[in-house]
Amino acid sequence: QKEVEQNSGPLSVPEGAIASLNCTYSDRGSQSFFWYRQYSGKSPELIMFIYSNGDKEDGRFTAQLNKASQYVSLLIRDSQPSDSATYLCAVNAGATNAGKSTFGDGTTLTVKP
Amino acid sequence: GAGVSQTPSNKVTEKGKYVELRCDPISGHTALYWYRQSLGQGPEFLIYFQGTGAADDSGLPNDRFFAVRPEGSVSTLKIQRTERGDSAVYLCASSLNGGANEKLFFGSGTQLSVL
Repeated sequence: QKEVEQNSGPLSVPEGAIASLNCTYSDRGSQSFFWYRQYSGKSPELIMFIYSNGDKEDGRFTAQLNKASQYVSLLIRDSQPSDSATYLCAVNAGATNAGKSTFGDGTTLTVKP
Repeated sequence: GAGVSQTPSNKVTEKGKYVELRCDPISGHTALYWYRQSLGQGPEFLIYFQGTGAADDSGLPNDRFFAVRPEGSVSTLKIQRTERGDSAVYLCASSLNGGANEKLFFGSGTQLSVL
């Protein structure tokens, strides 16, 4: 079992819909959680981070964290074709591991016009 | 610099050869990370530098891989006796101080192809 699990997809949603991306992790000591967007042939770009249980909203993006269930998700509202990309979930173990992140293999999202 | 810079963007080499990949982090960032990403997979941690020292090299797959950061800025990842399985995109990232909650800023990567 991988330390960070994501559905590989592809996930396809129509333009304007809500896209829901999910991630589970195995290390209960994990403290920091990140969502990166990666366009084909490009490097990962951070779009959201969350450290505390609950929801965190930033524009059209909402990250949700449930440490008890070891689950983190990303919601994209009013999805646009430009949101079509692979979304990577990354988890940091804690202070002793600095910024060392463990990544999932990503979920590919396609937003259809 | 404005962002993390990696050179070369593409490197084609033959099995058994030696290669060096270079990373120039964001100016002022003390933490530097190397990751490797294979097709269809997420980035895989290789090594982390805090300043000039390798604080965590637990992700280096074997002793053919080595990295340095002699002056605490530019870093070079060195791969000896390359194998076809080393083919991947090698990503460099930096962060301000290496804190667990800090964001990583990635370079555009070096696509390494071992023939």
